[in-house]
Amino acid sequence: QVHLVQSGAEVKEPGASVKVSCKASGYIFTSYRIHWVRQAPGQGLEWMGSIWPVDGNTQYSQKFQGRVTITRDTSANIAYMELSSLSSEDTALYHCARDWGYNSGGKWYSRFDSWGQGTLVTVSS
Amino acid sequence: DIQMTQSPSSLSATVGDRVTITCRASQSISTSLNWYQHKPGTAPKLLIYAASSLQSGVPSRFSGSGSETDFTLTISSLQPEDFATYYCQQTYSTPRELTFGGGTKVEIK
Repeated sequence: QVHLVQSGAEVKEPGASVKVSCKASGYIFTSYRIHWVRQAPGQGLEWMGSIWPVDGNTQYSQKFQGRVTITRDTSANIAYMELSSLSSEDTALYHCARDWGYNSGGKWYSRFDSWGQGTLVTVSS
Repeated sequence: DIQMTQSPSSLSATVGDRVTITCRASQSISTSLNWYQHKPGTAPKLLIYAASSLQSGVPSRFSGSGSETDFTLTISSLQPEDFATYYCQQTYSTPRELTFGGGTKVEIK
């Protein structure tokens, strides 16, 4: 059974960085892209970026480019998301999600079929 | 970037009602559209992928339709456990900028 287990809640001061982990089990870690999605209080879901664990290839949302870094440790089946220069607007619940993508008719389809439980990051002085 | 607009942003319904949520893309995305259900304090759940394919384990009262720019999620007979927020997501530009719609909150009337 697929499981994505995230690290615990964090409280950070403005200007600091936070690093959230996502440990995968129940499947071949290097075979599926991992995405990061956040939800600020009262807001909707927001895609931040992703990593292809087999080679470390990353893609980032333009909104977070330069502030977010996604990495992975294939020996431990863990993906990480680090967000820097935090402000109160970064207070949110951060989720990792597995992309069970597939190819159909020459086109790649993504679908987030398994999600981590979420990590609450609070930015406050 | 592709923008996704959902409507309505919220609705009130009764158990047994037929509920329809729409999602519009700012440009054609073929059928690269997913729907998720999200309840507070839990992880989002994939309901529909590729616009109309039902994810394994999801009740058949959920269905999706549409292509290009206009999409619909339908719940044929609303159940108590269906009260939640629903999001569409375009994956046309995968693996870049996989944007979500703003969400539709389905509440009890």
